[in-house]
Amino acid sequence: EILLTQSPGTLSLSPGERATLSCRASQSVSSSYVAWYQQKPGQAPRLLIYGASSRATGIPDRFSGSGSGTDFTLTISRLEPEDFAVYYCQQYTGSPFTFGPGTKVDIK
Amino acid sequence: EAQLVESGGGLVKPGGSLRLSCVDSGVTFNRAWMSWVRQAPGKGLEWIARIKSKIDGGTIEYAAPVKGRFTISRDDSENKVYLQMNSLKIEDTALYYCTSEINCGGGSCPGYWGQGTLVTVSS
Repeated sequence: EILLTQSPGTLSLSPGERATLSCRASQSVSSSYVAWYQQKPGQAPRLLIYGASSRATGIPDRFSGSGSGTDFTLTISRLEPEDFAVYYCQQYTGSPFTFGPGTKVDIK
Repeated sequence: EAQLVESGGGLVKPGGSLRLSCVDSGVTFNRAWMSWVRQAPGKGLEWIARIKSKIDGGTIEYAAPVKGRFTISRDDSENKVYLQMNSLKIEDTALYYCTSEINCGGGSCPGYWGQGTLVTVSS
């Protein structure tokens, strides 16, 4: 089983600032099969990034993903008010398709 | 595009059973790989089961905490996926999301999500 850790647990930033979220896997994730999801309170998660760096349909270009092997990053270039949420990474290279514990981005 | 609506959640005693349903109003359900993901109150996301399309072999996979107790199935004639949950435990209390997977750069990941159905296991 591939375990995912995310850091930091909470990121306190102001609108307009850059957010950098980290996801680390316990073993190499083949083909960079890592996805990122955004979840707002009371809502279902929304797919942002797949394949480590490809934006899902309709996702603004201020969201970007990078990484390979065991280290992956989600970057939000300039935080908009609607971006304050919890972000999860997931690996889908092999069952069980584990999620990280999440990073909460809140308003400073 | 898939539009997913879950039902069947509720309050059940430990050791009891529930069957969750998810209907997909999308036009290509029979080709979709479907998954269930749950979220305990105030906690993170946990993948629990997946069923591939019949055309792709219908392979089923489970996470260890539910294997042997939960059963995922599908009825393509009704555009539905089910999660039969037996021998429920208090730790199964969660919001259960139905997801429809999409092609994620060669692999498959949850692209569409329902709003979830709440399962509470309590005596």
